[in-house]
Amino acid sequence: GAVVSQHPSRVICKSGTSVKIECRSLDFQATTMFWYRQFPKQSLMLMATSNEGSKATYEQGVEKDKFLINHASLTLSTLTVTSAHPEDSSFYICSARAGGTYNEQFFGPGTRLTVL
Amino acid sequence: KQEVTQIPAALSVPEGENLVLNCSFTDSAIYNLQWFRQDPGKGLTSLLLIQSSQREQTSGRLNASLDKSSGRSTLYIAASQPGDSATYLCNTNAGKSTFGDGTTLTVKP
Repeated sequence: GAVVSQHPSRVICKSGTSVKIECRSLDFQATTMFWYRQFPKQSLMLMATSNEGSKATYEQGVEKDKFLINHASLTLSTLTVTSAHPEDSSFYICSARAGGTYNEQFFGPGTRLTVL
Repeated sequence: KQEVTQIPAALSVPEGENLVLNCSFTDSAIYNLQWFRQDPGKGLTSLLLIQSSQREQTSGRLNASLDKSSGRSTLYIAASQPGDSATYLCNTNAGKSTFGDGTTLTVKP
């Protein structure tokens, strides 16, 4: 199957700093990328959907100014957590999809963010 | 708004047992449904993808069925092994992706 990578896999930062997470589709062009967060012992919650070259669509309750998403190319999307606080500590997972909405999503391995 | 429910939330079985995990969803207008496993602290491993026009998919000891009209899917695991211990997540794709809360499976040796 198609491969999606995330970098970094784990990051620890101080409160108030910004953290950037990269999501790359390695062997296909992703017209759409998705960002999820997962709190301990909970399921994945969709944060936003981004299409290449367009502004991201955020889910209700997700602060667009806090979670900046850029999908500048067909193989790269970035999520920047601005002015991170301890409550932003979570597991962030991206997924990528080529073509139409009926196509399969391929998931990255996730990034563990810990804000001290 | 799509709601995905997985029952049971947790399941513990002895090795070798066959078992069924259930997933129900409220909006039947889905493009596909996917089953994943997630090991503690890890990402998702895709198990089976069923397109909306399909009734089931099989891979090794796993079989997933889909009944769109009733809003149900099941994941059948045959001859369970301790290595099958993980959380199993059901995901529906209706343009937007919705996950269930998962079933945590423990297979005891």
